[in-house]
Amino acid sequence: GENVEQHPSTLSVQEGDSAVIKCTYSDSASNYFPWYKQELGKGPQLIIDIRSNVGEKKDQRIAVTLNKTAKHFSLHITETQPEDSAVYFCAPRTPLVFGKGTRLSVIA
Amino acid sequence: EAQVTQNPRYLITVTGKKLTVTCSQNMNHEYMSWYRQDPGLGLRQIYYSMNVEVTDKGDVPEGYKVSRKEKRNFPLILESPSPNQTSLYFCASSFGFNQPQHFGDGTRLSIL
Repeated sequence: GENVEQHPSTLSVQEGDSAVIKCTYSDSASNYFPWYKQELGKGPQLIIDIRSNVGEKKDQRIAVTLNKTAKHFSLHITETQPEDSAVYFCAPRTPLVFGKGTRLSVIA
Repeated sequence: EAQVTQNPRYLITVTGKKLTVTCSQNMNHEYMSWYRQDPGLGLRQIYYSMNVEVTDKGDVPEGYKVSRKEKRNFPLILESPSPNQTSLYFCASSFGFNQPQHFGDGTRLSIL
């Protein structure tokens, strides 16, 4: 089956710094690469996604980059703010398999 | 408002007492699924349904049942709950594979 690894599992950054989370997958047939954000007490919510015919997508402070050859994609958050503190999940085989999550803490 | 609604949000019960967690979506999505979330293990799929009357096992189906009699509803049934089913459960829906998933806010189950 699909092997998904997400790194790091925890990440602490100072407010205003950038954060990068990487997701590695094994299934070369994967063609949809989303990132979800889960705030405390809530369900995961899609924040950005990319399809395999695109290498990068940006939405304000959030971007996703894809390296299909190396089978990994990354979430980039710039100018982090305290409200970015949450758990982030990748899901390269939506909706069957999710990464184990990265807990991001933004320190004010 | 587009949403996935789960009930109850919290439940404490005892071993062996049958329970049902309801899930309803108002987006006319074909695909629905149930996940459990445990510390260090992330989200694991329990069951999914690609359309009415079509259901299939996910990664951790043991001890669970589902049904899909209507497009909007996808209840999760624990016929004889056990303590190892204590977890946080999420229902989700989408238009299909490789499409954005919409999640409910979760149901925290404690089986004593």
